[in-house]
Amino acid sequence: DIVMTQSPDSLAVSLGERATINCKSSQSLLHSSNNKNYLVWYQQKPGQPPKLLIYWASTRESGVPDRFSGSGSGTDFTLTISSLQAEDVAVYYCQHFYSSPLTFGPGTKVDIK
Amino acid sequence: EVQLVESGGGLVQPGRSLRLSCAASGFTFDNYAMHWVRQAPGKGLEWVSVINWNGARVDYADSVKGRFTISRDNAKNSLYLQMNSLRAEDTALYYCAKDKDGSGWYGLDYWGQGTLVTVSS
Repeated sequence: DIVMTQSPDSLAVSLGERATINCKSSQSLLHSSNNKNYLVWYQQKPGQPPKLLIYWASTRESGVPDRFSGSGSGTDFTLTISSLQAEDVAVYYCQHFYSSPLTFGPGTKVDIK
Repeated sequence: EVQLVESGGGLVQPGRSLRLSCAASGFTFDNYAMHWVRQAPGKGLEWVSVINWNGARVDYADSVKGRFTISRDNAKNSLYLQMNSLRAEDTALYYCAKDKDGSGWYGLDYWGQGTLVTVSS
């Protein structure tokens, strides 16, 4: 099974500053058939279901603000919030879709400093 | 508007069974794979199971394999999760979620609000 790890566990960033979350997989998520990384990012606010932000490691879901961006390939991935807004306070999860079981990372909590 | 509405949760004793349902609307249900994801109180997300568009392909987390069965009825736009031999560690909010694709698995773009399952004597 592919193991997903995230760092840091939590971070506090000032409004308007950059937030960076890392996700690492125990094996490559790059599919040779289509050269895509099967890695997604979600945002979960308290009391709400998760919301899809990024799929294929770097493709922003429709309607997601462009301050959210994903990067990385193979086993190392990053979610960046370029200018943190108050509404971005949430827990962020990565999940791989390379092969079953489709495991999630443990989550990173983002707060305002 | 895409809607996913879970039902069937509740309090159940260890070793008993429960069947969850998810009613889908607002999209062509039989075009998409569907998933169950759970979240224990105060904990992170755990993927549980997936079924492809026609039910021919299913997969499970190791923690539920052999005890849970995912199924779908495309005529009723419904997804199900039959949960047998329930354990205390199955206590969680169970989400139904839609995949972006029918056969492959690309990401969960719509989620229900969840149904709470509590396993306790």
